Amino acid sequence: GQNIDQPTEMTATEGAIVQINCTYQTSGFNGLFWYQQHAGEAPTFLSYNVLDGLEEKGRFSSFLSRSKGYSYLLLKELQMKDSASYLCAVMDSNYQLIWGAGTKLIIKP
Amino acid sequence: GAVVSQHPSWVICKSGTSVKIECRSLDFQATTMFWYRQFPKQSLMLMATSNEGSKATYEQGVEKDKFLINHASLTLSTLTVTSAHPEDSSFYICSVISGRENNEQFFGPGTRLTVL
Repeated sequence: GQNIDQPTEMTATEGAIVQINCTYQTSGFNGLFWYQQHAGEAPTFLSYNVLDGLEEKGRFSSFLSRSKGYSYLLLKELQMKDSASYLCAVMDSNYQLIWGAGTKLIIKP
Repeated sequence: GAVVSQHPSWVICKSGTSVKIECRSLDFQATTMFWYRQFPKQSLMLMATSNEGSKATYEQGVEKDKFLINHASLTLSTLTVTSAHPEDSSFYICSVISGRENNEQFFGPGTRLTVL
């Protein structure tokens, strides 16, 4: 079957760095997405990786290894507003999105 | 987590025709479902909130008469794109709120609509 795994919850300190991991097993691969979702709001697109390697975008970076079925989202210089849920989603060979359950990130002062 | 399905997974239609997309909550009853639209590499845009037994609540800028939503049962909501045009081509995603699991939101696999 198809499966996306990511930690349920993580806690980090303001100003620090946190890495949120995502592992996947899907039928085919057409890219991996990371979204940020604050409570009560629609998910916001953060990144899209389809090739191996690291994509950097400001304080956020996303890494992909297709051979390992693995991605991570790296958040630097954490701010209180980064407290949110982070969703990993993989697009399979049928261009369907397989969603992870999301990682709730709690930032402490 | 909750299981959400959508049907069809993809559809191609001619301009001017109407397309119905179904969203089903397979393992629990959902009083509220959400419909999103996503263009490539962009954020999910909330279109409307579907409430079982009552009228849907549409976001600003979303045409109610063009995107008809029917939430007739606790496990099914439908989105009908009426008189579809090429600019309606997009990825439509539904989600449900699980009151059973701390109000977590679970997303469907999406429906890719292409209007020729």
